[in-house]
Amino acid sequence: DAKTTQPTSMDCAEGRAANLPCNHSTISGNEYVYWYRQIHSQGPQYIIHGLKNNETNEMASLIITEDRKSSTLILPHATLRDTAVYYCIVRAIAGKSTFGDGTTLTVKP
Amino acid sequence: GAVVSQHPSWVICKSGTSVKIECRSLDFQATTMFWYRQFPKQSLMLMATSNEGSKATYEQGVEKDKFLINHASLTLSTLTVTSAHPEDSSFYICSASHTGSGEKLFFGSGTQLSVL
Repeated sequence: DAKTTQPTSMDCAEGRAANLPCNHSTISGNEYVYWYRQIHSQGPQYIIHGLKNNETNEMASLIITEDRKSSTLILPHATLRDTAVYYCIVRAIAGKSTFGDGTTLTVKP
Repeated sequence: GAVVSQHPSWVICKSGTSVKIECRSLDFQATTMFWYRQFPKQSLMLMATSNEGSKATYEQGVEKDKFLINHASLTLSTLTVTSAHPEDSSFYICSASHTGSGEKLFFGSGTQLSVL
């Protein structure tokens, strides 16, 4: 599975958009980009995923570059409850999911 | 979304005993489940891939005789930590792949194992 690189930590003001970047330069053509988040001592929660088109759901938006080597997760209006570790994963259908170190997002009042 | 139930949430056991952790997909069938362990302030480390009706595939460095995985049905996978020692103390998390929703992974709530 391709590796991903994310910044270790980021801060965001409450109510502002949080933009979390992810590099996945060795992604294969059949691998999707998935985003999960983990709040302390809980199992990860699915946020969004995509192959090459930008995606949006009720939680977030996912922007994937045209060459698919990087992506950005956007939380449009961050709240204090969005404070968590965010993981970007690339995975093929029926493939295994290997987690990198993730980004610790801290939303501040 | 789909629900994955993991039990127990926490367990304390004596060194040398075995502990079984269950992972159930409650409202979907999961051909494939994954088991992870996580140490404090670290990321999730994939231990093994569990396939229904066949042997699990273990990641390099994970002892298959110590971490026994059984996936006897499409809704249940179990992880048994055999002859547990203090160094096995960790947070164990399972996930199930939901084919009907774009192969999303849904995670259990995790099991905190403490071996005395």
